[in-house]
Formats: sequence, structure tokens, C-alpha cells
Amino acid sequence: DAMVIQNPRYQVTQFGKPVTLSCSQTLNHNVMYWYQQKSSQAPKLLFHYYDKDFNNEADTPDNFQSRRPNTSFCFLDIRSPGLGDAAMYLCATSRDVGLDEQYFGPGTRLTVT
Amino acid sequence: GQQLNQSPQSMFIQEGEDVSMNCTSSSIFNTWLWYKQDPGEGPVLLIALYKAGELTSNGRLTAQFGITRKDSFLNISASIPSDVGIYFCAGQGYSGAGSYQLTFGKGTKLSVIP
Repeated sequence: DAMVIQNPRYQVTQFGKPVTLSCSQTLNHNVMYWYQQKSSQAPKLLFHYYDKDFNNEADTPDNFQSRRPNTSFCFLDIRSPGLGDAAMYLCATSRDVGLDEQYFGPGTRLTVT
Repeated sequence: GQQLNQSPQSMFIQEGEDVSMNCTSSSIFNTWLWYKQDPGEGPVLLIALYKAGELTSNGRLTAQFGITRKDSFLNISASIPSDVGIYFCAGQGYSGAGSYQLTFGKGTKLSVIP
């Protein structure tokens, strides 16, 4: 089945220690998104890639970076995680920007100690 | 920015009852999406709506795209225990400068009492 896969499902990192979360998709969608979701809140968009074009949200901290080496994979890098970065990180894809449905992966729960 | 008001925030219902939740906005949206999220999992797309006035069903779920394009509702008929979760509405609209934005409601937490 075509799907969005996130690894790992659970990640523990230390305060200030860089961490990378990964996402892959078999949908062959052009757009990949990264969201942050804190407890009891709606997902918050961090950035997205349309193909190789990177689009950062204005309020996304510089601490968060992303890479998309090819159509299938996208990575979220947190350069110096703080306690406030503990959250669920969701990857999503859509065929195009605009009016298309977004399909989410299962998420990676990040804990910062 | 665009904002969505989703209500109710939470609801407790008896198994077998029907459920209704809705989202309203002061902004016009071109697409409405309804998602269900289970604890520790990502949101799962339930229904997508593309036209004002559109009424779409998916099993026991029915959703409508409001005629003004500023609201949408989701109904669940004959609820069962596995309907438990958080339901999010999301509206997709033009946010300017050639970009589109998916705006989420704050979610409706549904609890079903067997």
C-alpha cells in the first residue's frame, strides 16, 4: 500500500544534542511537509518542500532545518533541541500545493532529556 | 491569519448515538478536510470536500462543505467504541503571494461510553 513512513516512532535525545527525524513516502507526491504537534494542540506547520523548493514558515525557529535529497525522502534536523521542542513530529505529503489532500505519517514522538 | 473555530471541544456520548461537530471561519476556504487522530498516531484523512454545498459520505461519516465556503460539519451515525479519538477539521485556502495554507481547527475530542 502507498503510504507515508516515519522513523523512528520514538526518539529520545539530550538537551542540545542534534537529532534527525526521517520520513519517506511511496505516494510519489510532489510536496512533503513537516508539522510539530504538542499535546492537546493542532499540528503546526514548520516548513514544506515542493519538489526541491524549500518553503519555511515565518515563525519556524532557525533551530529546525530540513533536507529533501530525493522525491521519496525528507529529513527534519533539530540542531540544538531544547526542552520545549519535545513534541510529536508529523510528516505529510500531498500531490500538489493548494487544493490537494494531505496524507500524514504516524509521527515521531521526540523526548528531550 | 486564517482561523477556524471548531466545536464542541469535547463530547461524551453513549454507544449508538449520533454525533455532530462543526467548524466555522471568517475566511473562505477552497477545500475542507476532516481528520481523525488516535493517541500516539498521525491524523488519518476521513473525508475531503472540494465544492461549496458538497455533501460526502464515508461509511457512517457524513460531511458537508458549507454554501458560504466558511464552514463545514461532520456527522457520525450510530457511534461505536472505536470512534473514540480527536477529530480535526482543516480548511485549505489561498494565503497570498502564490501560496496556500492548511489551517487546522483545535479538534473535538470524542469519548464513547459503551
